[in-house]
Amino acid sequence: NAGVTQTPKFQVLKTGQSMTLQCAQDMNHEYMSWYRQDPGMGLRLIHYSVGAGITDQGEVPNGYNVSRSTTEDFPLRLLSAAPSQTSVYFCASSPFARDSYNSPLHFGNGTRLTVT
Amino acid sequence: AQKITQTQPGMFVQEKEAVTLDCTYDTSDPSYGLFWYKQPSSGEMIFLIYQGSYDQQNATEGRYSLNFQKARKSANLVISASQLGDSAMYFCAMREPRGTGFQKLVFGTGTRLLVSP
Repeated sequence: NAGVTQTPKFQVLKTGQSMTLQCAQDMNHEYMSWYRQDPGMGLRLIHYSVGAGITDQGEVPNGYNVSRSTTEDFPLRLLSAAPSQTSVYFCASSPFARDSYNSPLHFGNGTRLTVT
Repeated sequence: AQKITQTQPGMFVQEKEAVTLDCTYDTSDPSYGLFWYKQPSSGEMIFLIYQGSYDQQNATEGRYSLNFQKARKSANLVISASQLGDSAMYFCAMREPRGTGFQKLVFGTGTRLLVSP
């Protein structure tokens, strides 16, 4: 069971570069989301999606883009990386809560991104 | 907006003792869900336990239990008989009320637990 797969595990970017963090899940979950984790700040929601073709902003969306063309994939794009985007990024998914409100988020193993 | 507060940045406990990690939350909606996650040093997020606002009993999962006090808006995690492998960061999170956007989880800042032999 693969669950939620994130790639890459580590990435170093220079300021101004762009890149895409990949996220794929094989559990047929409707809901997918991206969080960033910074010391002392917990996990903060960047963007989320409740199904293919539907995305919305979370708490800290600036500097990030997402799209959801399939149920399985939810990539996160950094258009022009900044040092403030140095963080650990987590992708997470769950079934749609209307049927299973107590379903936890299933997390990928994270991507550690450093922007210099 | 929903908010989760974890006031203990770090906690220490001796092996085999019980420990309580505090979590308070703020919401005006009567319907919500509370989750606890464990993050060991390897970095993955592990789901531990869930408590629904309408659940009549406190949730339990093995050595984990929730001390849910709805009137005080607290959902403290109790770990009984601590083990060395319990050393990790622990996050409390709340699912927004049913309705639009109710999939989202809001996380606290976490408590780092260190279990000593």
